[in-house]
Amino acid sequence: GESVGLHLPTLSVQEGDNSIINCAYSNSASDYFIWYKQESGKGPQFIIDIRSNMDKRQGQRVTVLLNKTVKHLSLQIAATQPGDSAVYFCAEKNSGYSTLTFGKGTMLLVSP
Amino acid sequence: GAVVSQHPSRVICKSGTSVKIECRSLDFQATTMFWYRQFPKQSLMLMATSNEGSKATYEQGVEKDKFLINHASLTLSTLTVTSAHPEDSSFYICSARVGGKDTQYFGPGTRLTVL
Repeated sequence: GESVGLHLPTLSVQEGDNSIINCAYSNSASDYFIWYKQESGKGPQFIIDIRSNMDKRQGQRVTVLLNKTVKHLSLQIAATQPGDSAVYFCAEKNSGYSTLTFGKGTMLLVSP
Repeated sequence: GAVVSQHPSRVICKSGTSVKIECRSLDFQATTMFWYRQFPKQSLMLMATSNEGSKATYEQGVEKDKFLINHASLTLSTLTVTSAHPEDSSFYICSARVGGKDTQYFGPGTRLTVL
């Protein structure tokens, strides 16, 4: 079946670097995408979302890019901090449905 | 805004007993709530979708008689794990969304350990 997946299971960066976390999706009918951050033992925390009629959206230190041609989603974190260390999940929603399908997750490790 | 709570945060129970987990939306009314299960180092797996005042919709492979879901109000959904067994030990997370919106806001999760 169609699913959302991630290219890199673990990403290690130095504090202050910019981080890019990638996500590939296969469902062309998806119309909404969202990134979550999950720290150990906690629930996922909303970071940023984007609709399929956009290709870029910016938040505070974060940017989400959507490339529908190649079905690719990315999360960019500027000036990465140790507090950004967590697992990051992308999720997609199929048009007409309310449920989210989650990717496998990427562990981001930020060294001071 | 968009705060979701869960109770309890941790529970340990004996095999064969039932455990109830509560999910509350604290500052908004949630027409739809979702229940997920997460194993260590894995992604979130949707168990069921719960709409206020109606029966829950369960994902394929999830036993509805084992995982009872009740969504009696716009701010509260409960998940009851009946006759729990060690293989039911997991991290259970709920989420909630406002009607008409796509964003789901998650609770802090409940760690269930069945001895």
